[in-house]
Amino acid sequence: DAKTTQPPSMDCAEGRAANLPCNHSTISGNEYVYWYRQIHSQGPQYIIHGLKNNETNEMASLIITEDRKSSTLILPHATLRDTAVYYCIGHNAGNMLTFGGGTRLMVKP
Amino acid sequence: DAMVIQNPRYQVTQFGKPVTLSCSQTLNHNVMYWYQQKSSQAPKLLFHYYDKDFNNEADTPDNFQSRRPNTSFCFLDIRSPGLGDAAMYLCATSAGTSGLLTDTQYFGPGTRLTVL
Repeated sequence: DAKTTQPPSMDCAEGRAANLPCNHSTISGNEYVYWYRQIHSQGPQYIIHGLKNNETNEMASLIITEDRKSSTLILPHATLRDTAVYYCIGHNAGNMLTFGGGTRLMVKP
Repeated sequence: DAMVIQNPRYQVTQFGKPVTLSCSQTLNHNVMYWYQQKSSQAPKLLFHYYDKDFNNEADTPDNFQSRRPNTSFCFLDIRSPGLGDAAMYLCATSAGTSGLLTDTQYFGPGTRLTVL
């Protein structure tokens, strides 16, 4: 039970912001919201994670709603190399990563 | 750069012929994981080691075994590969430090196994 729901696919124009939504209304209060991505034929790559507050790093920004029922991963200027499957996962140190279906992001020229 | 290394990247074996996949890490992490990912599916955890303690997922077939001779290396052994075991096998590590609230996993590039 992945506990998160994501749209199966999204398109984004190159250079524009990609906003990937995730619903996680059933994750527990101590589970962090993690985002990984998997480029074709490669291993998953860690992007970012957060608990309650919004987070930003060199790859992306993570916006978590105040009620923690949903979040949005933002790639501010998508490039063709950002084409990948993006996974949103609820996770803490006490449980295992459970990957759901993810969102297949296609960045188009 | 600290990293998770998997060899080989591509492995071909025959139906029923034992095969071993290897993973090494330079992160000095306590926890090592093996995932199976079939075509167009999400990765699925097979088992993990917390230091020397082996933890098997309930639905992992007996055909899959693992060894961790030291902190840096972990092996996945498939005793009698069937056609249904053709997949990408992913190794991951995490720090597993006691007291941490969260434990980010770092993945290797994977080994794609073909069974003929």
